[in-house]
Amino acid sequence: NAGVTQTPKFQVLKTGQSMTLQCAQDMNHNSMYWYRQDPGMGLRLIYYSASEGTTDKGEVPNGYNVSRLNKREFSLRLESAAPSQTSVYFCASRAQLVEKLFFGSGTQLSVL
Amino acid sequence: GQQLNQSPQSMFIQEGEDVSMNCTSSSIFNTWLWYKQDPGEGPVLLIALYKAGELTSNGRLTAQFGITRKDSFLNISASIPSDVGIYFCAGPQDRGSTLGRLYFGRGTQLTVWP
Repeated sequence: NAGVTQTPKFQVLKTGQSMTLQCAQDMNHNSMYWYRQDPGMGLRLIYYSASEGTTDKGEVPNGYNVSRLNKREFSLRLESAAPSQTSVYFCASRAQLVEKLFFGSGTQLSVL
Repeated sequence: GQQLNQSPQSMFIQEGEDVSMNCTSSSIFNTWLWYKQDPGEGPVLLIALYKAGELTSNGRLTAQFGITRKDSFLNISASIPSDVGIYFCAGPQDRGSTLGRLYFGRGTQLTVWP
């Protein structure tokens, strides 16, 4: 099983450019999440989707949009990238009523 | 939101030494999770704790759910180089909630010298 797959692994953007981070899970999980990780800050929740067809804001949603395309896929979009969005982004998923999150291997994003 | 205070922020130890780290919260948690993140990878679940006072082991790792339900501890015995990484504590917003939002500590960076 691949688990949670994120693409791309690395990305460099110029300020103002847009891009979409892709995430797919093959574990038939209901809930999916996008986190960002900055040095010394731990993992902060950007957006989550409790089930197919629903999305909600997390702690740091500004500057991002998400789409739960189907049960497997949850994408994160930066419409106009800013240097403050330089970070490592992680997608995660979990089964319903189970607290354990399964993470992808991350996307290293640099905004110049 | 909830705040998890994890300490220490970093540790530099020699191979073979034991390691202890902890996580505290101002609120009660019903579940504590400990994750490890290897360099360049996503966090991986090490241990899950579900009851106050619970002591659970996973190989050389032992974690405890504090009696007050506001803290948790992770110990690593006889550290080896592959223990290097960032260790995170985490707790859910609501146990069994369909929302499943986890609050994460800021992590303990562990470095092991041969």
